[in-house]
Amino acid sequence: SQQGEEDPQALSIQEGENATMNCSYKTSINNLQWYRQNSGRGLVHLILIRSNEREKHSGRLRVTLDTSKKSSSLLITASRAADTASYFCATARWTSGGSYIPTFGRGTSLIVHP
Amino acid sequence: EAQVTQNPRYLITVTGKKLTVTCSQNMNHEYMSWYRQDPGLGLRQIYYSMNVEVTDKGDVPEGYKVSRKEKRNFPLILESPSPNQTSLYFCASSPRTGYSNQPQHFGDGTRLSIL
Repeated sequence: SQQGEEDPQALSIQEGENATMNCSYKTSINNLQWYRQNSGRGLVHLILIRSNEREKHSGRLRVTLDTSKKSSSLLITASRAADTASYFCATARWTSGGSYIPTFGRGTSLIVHP
Repeated sequence: EAQVTQNPRYLITVTGKKLTVTCSQNMNHEYMSWYRQDPGLGLRQIYYSMNVEVTDKGDVPEGYKVSRKEKRNFPLILESPSPNQTSLYFCASSPRTGYSNQPQHFGDGTRLSIL
C-alpha cells in the first residue's frame, strides 16, 4: 500500500522556471526522501529530510517538510531541460509482521521545455 | 563502484515458461527489495528481504517467488509467467531498515514482456 502521494501527477514548464511538487503522507514518519527517475531507468536518491527538520537544500533543490500537515514539497529552481524526469517521494510503513519498510508514491512527471 | 545489477535488462518470453531475474549488489546491504512499475500505478513492492534467509511479501506478491541465500543476491522467480506480469521490474537495496528508512540504491530495471 502506498503511503505517500505526489501532486500534481504531471507538470510542464519552461526552462528557467521553478518547479514545485508536493507529497502527502498518512502516518507518522522518521524521514521522507525524494527520488528522481529518468525515463525507463532506475530511481536515484536525491535528498532525505528528517522528521525534526523543516527545510533542506541541495544545489537547486529545496525540500520542505510539515509534519503537522503530513506533507512535503520539492522545489527545483531555475529548471533545465535535463531536469525532465519523474519525481517520487518515499516514506516508510509498518508491516503486519512488525517490519518498517520503504514505500513510494505514484510520482510527478516533470517536463521542462527548452 | 557501488551498484545494483539486474539481469537481463530486457526479456520477451511466452506464457508458462519459468524465468529468473537476477539481482546482485556489491555494497553489503542487508535490505533488498523487488518492485514492479506500471503506467499510472507507480512502484509497487513485490517482495522484500531484511537479511539472508529473511523474506516477506510486499503488496503484489502473487505469481512471484524470491530467495535470499546470500547477502548480495536476491533473484526474482516467475514460475509460470502470465501476460499480466508484463512490466518494468526494479531491484533495490539499502544498508538496513529498522526505524531508519535509509536511501535505496536501484538497479537499471528489467523490462519483461510475457506473450
